[in-house]
Amino acid sequence: QKEVEQDPGPLSVPEGAIVSLNCTYSNSAFQYFMWYRQYSRKGPELLMYTYSSGNKEDGRFTAQVDKSSKYISLFIRDSQPSDSATYLCAMNRNQGGKLIFGQGTELSVKP
Amino acid sequence: EPEVTQTPSHQVTQMGQEVILRCVPISNHLYFYWYRQILGQKVEFLVSFYNNEISEKSEIFDDQFSVERPDGSNFTLKIRSTKLEDSAMYFCASSDRVSNQPQHFGDGTRLSIL
Repeated sequence: QKEVEQDPGPLSVPEGAIVSLNCTYSNSAFQYFMWYRQYSRKGPELLMYTYSSGNKEDGRFTAQVDKSSKYISLFIRDSQPSDSATYLCAMNRNQGGKLIFGQGTELSVKP
Repeated sequence: EPEVTQTPSHQVTQMGQEVILRCVPISNHLYFYWYRQILGQKVEFLVSFYNNEISEKSEIFDDQFSVERPDGSNFTLKIRSTKLEDSAMYFCASSDRVSNQPQHFGDGTRLSIL
């Protein structure tokens, strides 16, 4: 079983739609969960950072962590064409530890 | 906003040659990392570095790889004798664990081995 699984997509939605992106993981020791956005030929850009279970909201973005189900989600409200990118989930066991990434989901938001 | 900068953006090297990839982490960060991403695959951890020594490394990070912080601002990854399979994007990241900040990444160096 892979440590972190993420549907690679591609996912195509119309502008204004609510987007749901998800990852599952197998290692219950993970405590820190991140979502990165990666545009073509660029590095991962941090979007959301959460510790343990719960929700975190930042503008149009909401991150959810359910440690009991080993499942994390990123919701994007009122999606824009500029949100078109690959979204990577990442997690680690301790602050400063190596990040384990998902495969990334390619998102396309159509005008 | 402070950022991690990497040079060069693209490096083309003959197989068997040595290559050095350079990174300038965010200035008040003390933890440094290298990751790589082979085309179409996941971002993979290579090595982490703190207080002038390696704190963790992956199985990928064999004797052909080394890291160094030669001065107060640069952090380098050296590959001694490159192989075709070393072709990938290499990302540098840094973090400030003291203030509980996550890792911030540079835009990467695309390494092409011919």
